[in-house]
Amino acid sequence: SQKIEQNSEALNIQEGKTATLTCNYTNYSPAYLQWYRQDPGRGPVFLLLIRENEKEKRKERLKVTFDTTLKQSLFHITASQPADSATYLCALLDTGRRALTFGSGTRLQVQP
Amino acid sequence: KAGVTQTPRYLIKTRGQQVTLSCSPISGHRSVSWYQQTPGQGLQFLFEYFSETQRNKGNFPGRFSGRQFSNSRSEMNVSTLELGDSALYLCASSLVGQGQVGETQYFGPGTRLLVL
Repeated sequence: SQKIEQNSEALNIQEGKTATLTCNYTNYSPAYLQWYRQDPGRGPVFLLLIRENEKEKRKERLKVTFDTTLKQSLFHITASQPADSATYLCALLDTGRRALTFGSGTRLQVQP
Repeated sequence: KAGVTQTPRYLIKTRGQQVTLSCSPISGHRSVSWYQQTPGQGLQFLFEYFSETQRNKGNFPGRFSGRQFSNSRSEMNVSTLELGDSALYLCASSLVGQGQVGETQYFGPGTRLLVL
């Protein structure tokens, strides 16, 4: 069956460290993968998109990697800040499909 | 530009009732998608509308329906509410639709529905 797995346990890190979040998928052939941030009581906010033929994407303190062999995407936040505390969702578009499928998200807590 | 707006923000209904939720997309966006978010199931796709036509549908029962108007505003209806329908309902708009590589979806704040 198809699955998108994100670590359901919260990730707690110290301010200034690099946070690394994982998104693993099974039985998908993603055309692309996206990462979103969601704060409590709000809708998700788009952060980054990475295509199937790209290995890495960067935007300011954010970096996404995509390994189609391992069927995994990693999302990094460098020099993390308490304001980065939120739930981070990965979503992928399966090749030939027209709807995004979301992972359940990982909650990140950055301690000052 | 104004963002995606959803009304109402909070709603309490009882089992068996029906509910209509509204979504106004970003100006110029023609695609509106609806999602249900629950702690147990996460964010699940309901359906997508583009130019007043349903273009894609998720795996939800027929009690869930929607429509889109000529100004791209969309409504979602749930009939015969069940306790399990309690969730955050999110809509997202985009220019031409989530099936396009690189297309970004912009989410609204959601409507929190509680079914008693």
